[in-house]
Amino acid sequence: EAGVVQSPRYKIIEKKQPVAFWCNPISGHNTLYWYLQNLGQGPELLIRYENEEAVDDSQLPKDRFSAERLKGVDSTLKIQPAELGDSAVYLCASSPSGTGYREQYFGPGTRLTVT
Amino acid sequence: GQQVMQIPQYQHVQEGEDFTTYCNSSTTLSNIQWYKQRPGGHPVFLIQLVKSGEVKKQKRLTFQFGEAKKNSSLHITATQTTDVGTYFCAGLRDDKIIFGKGTRLHILP
Repeated sequence: EAGVVQSPRYKIIEKKQPVAFWCNPISGHNTLYWYLQNLGQGPELLIRYENEEAVDDSQLPKDRFSAERLKGVDSTLKIQPAELGDSAVYLCASSPSGTGYREQYFGPGTRLTVT
Repeated sequence: GQQVMQIPQYQHVQEGEDFTTYCNSSTTLSNIQWYKQRPGGHPVFLIQLVKSGEVKKQKRLTFQFGEAKKNSSLHITATQTTDVGTYFCAGLRDDKIIFGKGTRLHILP
């Protein structure tokens, strides 16, 4: 079974430029998460989807961050414009369907460097 | 800010020694999950605890969930070099999951 796929793996951009990250969850997983992880810190949830609905986006900085999961499968996270403080690893995770809170399967992440 | 505290932040142990990391919350958690992240890797799910006082074992790893569901621990018996990494707890409260900052385990040969 293929794991969570993310691209690109690395991205270097100048501040004020836009950037987008893509995630394809494990087949059949209805729940999708985007996290931000700074060095030496735990993942911080940005947004959680149940199918195509964003059920928790309370931690998403909506002035510059946006996300979509139009068909309830793959998802895109966008930052526009990027700031120096956005440099981090952006992790995507998915969970299998079912009742209750389920284990999360993480992708390899996208390491963003803003210069 | 972080509402799930993990201690210690770092731990160096001799190979073969035991290791324990603790996770504490100021409020009751619905459940708690534990993840391991190897250097340069991504978090990998280890276990989920749901019931008050629950104890689960995976080979040399023992996970506990406190009676009040506010704390949890992960204990590794007789550490091996393959145990190197950062161990995160993730607590669920009010349908929100919050990760601790992790405990980084370093094994001395």
